[in-house]
Order: sequence, then structure tokens, then C-alpha cells
Amino acid sequence: GQNIDQPTEMTATEGAIVQINCTYQTSGFNGLFWYQQHAGEAPTFLSYNVLDGLEEKGRFSSFLSRSKGYSYLLLKELQMKDSASYLCAIPRKDSSYKLIFGSGTRLLVRP
Amino acid sequence: DVKVTQSSRYLVKRTGEKVFLECVQDMDHENMFWYRQDPGLGLRLIYFSYDVKMKEKGDIPEGYSVSREKKERFSLILESASTNQTSMYLCASSLIGRGSTDTQYFGPGTRLTVL
Repeated sequence: GQNIDQPTEMTATEGAIVQINCTYQTSGFNGLFWYQQHAGEAPTFLSYNVLDGLEEKGRFSSFLSRSKGYSYLLLKELQMKDSASYLCAIPRKDSSYKLIFGSGTRLLVRP
Repeated sequence: DVKVTQSSRYLVKRTGEKVFLECVQDMDHENMFWYRQDPGLGLRLIYFSYDVKMKEKGDIPEGYSVSREKKERFSLILESASTNQTSMYLCASSLIGRGSTDTQYFGPGTRLTVL
């Protein structure tokens, strides 16, 4: 089957770096998505990884290891506005148009 | 920028009422989705549509139906609302394609309360 695991909650300090992990089980890998979701709002797309390695996009970077079934989102120079849930998602085996979402990691950034 | 809009941000209905949730996207996307999101359960797919008048059941279709008469509009219908349908409902759209074009873009959500 397909499965995604993420830690439920994390806390970090403003200005610090935090790494949010995501492990997945699937066959026929077709990429991995990260979304950010502020409380009461819709998820917004952050990144897409299909090849191994680190992809940097400003303060946010996303890493993928297909052999380990593992990804992480790295947030640098944390700001209070980064307090949100971070969702990891992979395409479904039966249809890549459909995504399976993890339950999300709620990040709290403290002053 | 992709824009996905939903008809209401907040809705309160009574048990047994028929409820319509509307979603409109302006980027000519073929795929449209309805999810519900509940604490601890994450995003769960209710229905999916890949073209006008075409639909597929998702993981939790019971108690819901959908309509897609125009490409840009996808409606979710609760035939007879029940209290266990109190939730955040999210609409999303995406292109038909592979890889990064599977990216789904979400509307702002409708928080539905059924009393």
C-alpha cells in the first residue's frame, strides 16, 4: 500500500533552522510535494521533488532520498509567520492526479 | 496565478438539509477535487473529476454527490446533511499531466457546521 508518516508537532525558535521529516511507502514513485497550511486556511504549494537531493527555494529547501523513502523540509531563519502545518503528499498508485496527504506537522515558532 | 474560489467561507446548516458547496477555478484545469479535513485525520478525498460530467469516487464518498457541468465549476452536494459532516471542505484543481503538473491548487475552504 501507500503510507506517509510525519511528526505531529514541532516547536522552534525565531531565527533558528528547523527540519520537518516525512517518510513514505509506495511503489512506482512519482514525486513528493510539500504544502504549507496556516490555521483555518487552505494548503499552499511549497515544493515538488522527483529526483534525489536538495532543492533550495529561498529560506525553504526540500530534500528527497528515494532509496530511503524519506524527505525533509528545511526552514531557515525562522519567522513567526512560519507557524503553520506542513503537509507531505505523494501521487497515488492508481492515479497520479490524486494525492495522498500525510496528517501534517504543526510547527510552532516561538519568539 | 491559479485562483480557486469557494462560495462560502463559513456555513451553518441543520440536520437533513440539502447543502451545496460551489468551487470555481480560473486556470482551465481539467482535474478538480473535493476534500474534507478533520483534526488528526488529514485531508481525505471525497470526489474527483477529470473532465466535464466525469467523476470518480474518492475515499469517503458516502453521503455526498458532485456535479461538473462546466469545466471551471465543481459542486459538492450533501443530500441530507448530518452532524458527522461538520468539517472543513477544501476544493482543489490541477492540470492533466505528469510530475509537477500534478500540483494541486486549493481554494480557501468552507467550514461547514451541521447542527
